[in-house]
Amino acid sequence: KNEVEQSPQNLTAQEGEFITINCSYSVGISALHWLQQHPGGGIVSLFMLSSGKKKHGRLIATINIQEKHSSLHITASHPRDSAVYICAVSRGSQGNLIFGKGTKLSVKP
Amino acid sequence: DAGVIQSPRHEVTEMGQEVTLRCKPISGHDYLFWYRQTMMRGLELLIYFNNNVPIDDSGMPEDRFSAKMPNASFSTLKIQPSEPRDSAVYFCASSFGTEKLFFGSGTQLSVL
Repeated sequence: KNEVEQSPQNLTAQEGEFITINCSYSVGISALHWLQQHPGGGIVSLFMLSSGKKKHGRLIATINIQEKHSSLHITASHPRDSAVYICAVSRGSQGNLIFGKGTKLSVKP
Repeated sequence: DAGVIQSPRHEVTEMGQEVTLRCKPISGHDYLFWYRQTMMRGLELLIYFNNNVPIDDSGMPEDRFSAKMPNASFSTLKIQPSEPRDSAVYFCASSFGTEKLFFGSGTQLSVL
């Protein structure tokens, strides 16, 4: 069993829909990261959180430490949100990451 | 700042050749990370440095892989000799302390 599990693996949505991507982990962590990988391959760090909730524009990330679960929400989705979203957890040093397999999101106009 | 800079963007080489990947972290960042991404295994941490010192290289696949950070503005990842199974995208990332990571654009390596 992978230490970091994401669901769903693939997600297709219509523009404007509310999207949720889930991440569960089985190890103790110092922080959880949500990354976005664009079709061109570049990786951007969206959030790093160790408790509660963070919001940036239309993106919201939440974490429940007791349940070892995090969610990434996208409100009013847009085709430009199409990307692979990767959950990763850090143990000790925040860049010493264990990665999930990613969720491929496709938002149709 | 131009961000994390990796070179080359693409590298095609023949099995047995030496390959050197380069990374310039963001100025002032004290952590540098090398990751590898393949279809089969996804993203994996290879090695990371703190203040130019290697801290954890347990992700380095085997002795054919080596990484150095001679100063705060430069790091290399070397594969010698290269093998087809080393074909992957190699990412470098840097951060300041416990702040968020910044990734380079990656090097697409193909070993024929």
